[in-house]
Parts: sequence; structure tokens; C-alpha cells
Amino acid sequence: ETGVTQTPRHLVMGMTNKKSLKCEQHLGHNAMYWYKQSAKKPLELMFVYSLEERVENNSVPSRFSPECPNSSHLFLHLHTLQPEDSALYLCASSPQGAANEKLFFGSGTQLSVL
Amino acid sequence: GENVEQHPSTLSVQEGDSAVIKCTYSDSASNYFPWYKQELGKGPQLIIDIRSNVGEKKDQRIAVTLNKTAKHFSLHITETQPEDSAVYFCAASSGNTPLVFGKGTRLSVIA
Repeated sequence: ETGVTQTPRHLVMGMTNKKSLKCEQHLGHNAMYWYKQSAKKPLELMFVYSLEERVENNSVPSRFSPECPNSSHLFLHLHTLQPEDSALYLCASSPQGAANEKLFFGSGTQLSVL
Repeated sequence: GENVEQHPSTLSVQEGDSAVIKCTYSDSASNYFPWYKQELGKGPQLIIDIRSNVGEKKDQRIAVTLNKTAKHFSLHITETQPEDSAVYFCAASSGNTPLVFGKGTRLSVIA
């Protein structure tokens, strides 16, 4: 148990659906992250929030919309996704959001877009 | 920006043997080099990290070495056990830019 919980664990959605991924951390950290993990590719940073403010957005398509209502919760809202968006989506947290800090990852949501 | 290359992509060793995974990076300003282990169905977990002011760090059966001149760092696992089977990721950061990960190495320890 890493202290970072993601739901759901698995999600299948059509290209016209709207769904949301949820992440919750119980570590008292100030920073939260969304990563995309695809087969045979490096982990791709999507979004970073520090103290509920977005500080990083790596040119992610607008069909992915993050939300951070407080420092313990992070959402990723999905709409009109493409099949190439199928991947494992990982949430992580860290104490202060510095790049040289330990990241604590959740177990991920395996997303399949049909 | 930073680019991290990781080799090999797959590695099989006999139980009890050593395993070595190597990474190179491109940004000479990088000064933080963590290694993450990802077991099946779980997220990556930090197992060891090294900063540029040291050349080697060891934690029980795991060690990491860093050669800043050559811009490469390596993970060494000795006396491998079946529970070491996982995907291992290296990463690099300058501290001012987000971590950049390698593509991962799938390690299989054969009993």
C-alpha cells in the first residue's frame, strides 16, 4: 500500500463516452501528478499540481481535463477519446513537487477505448 | 531536453546470479537519478536513487553507480531472487525540470 489510491482499476469506454478517473492520497503531500504508461514507451508526464494549482501541462490534448479540488484529490476527466489513448494511467504524489523528490504511485487505471 | 536511454529492454537471469541494467542521459545538468520497480498490477515504486555528488550507493542487494563524465548510471542487483522479477525504470532530472524516464527493463529471475 503506497498511500495513493486510484479508481476504477479498469475502464472500458467508447469514443463518445465521458468518464472520470479518480486519485486520492493519504500521505499529506502537496503535489499530485498524472502519468500515461503505454507499452514500450517511457512514462509520460501529463499534468502536475502543486498546492492545487496546475504547474505543468505537457501539451496534452484537450480531451483530457484534470481537476484538483484539494491537495488530497485529483481527477482526470475524459471525453471523446481515441483508441490510441488506451493505456495505463498512473497517479502519483510527492511532498513538495520538486523534480528530485520520491514519487509515490498508485496502481493505475487500465483504460481501453473502443 | 533530457533524453534517457535504457538497456537492455529484457533480461533473464538464473536465481542467485547478478543483474545489471544500464542507462544513459543527455543533459549534463541532470543531478538526480532514481530507479523504480514496477511489479505486475502495481504502480512503480522507488527502490534506490543517487545524486550527482556521489558515485555509488548501496542498499542491501541493490547498488547504483553513476559516471557523470560519461553520463551513464547503472543498477546492480546481486543474488537475485524470484521476487526481483519486475520491470525496472531509470530516470533523470536536473531538479528544475520534471523527471524523464527510460523505457524500462523487464527482468525475469528463473528459479
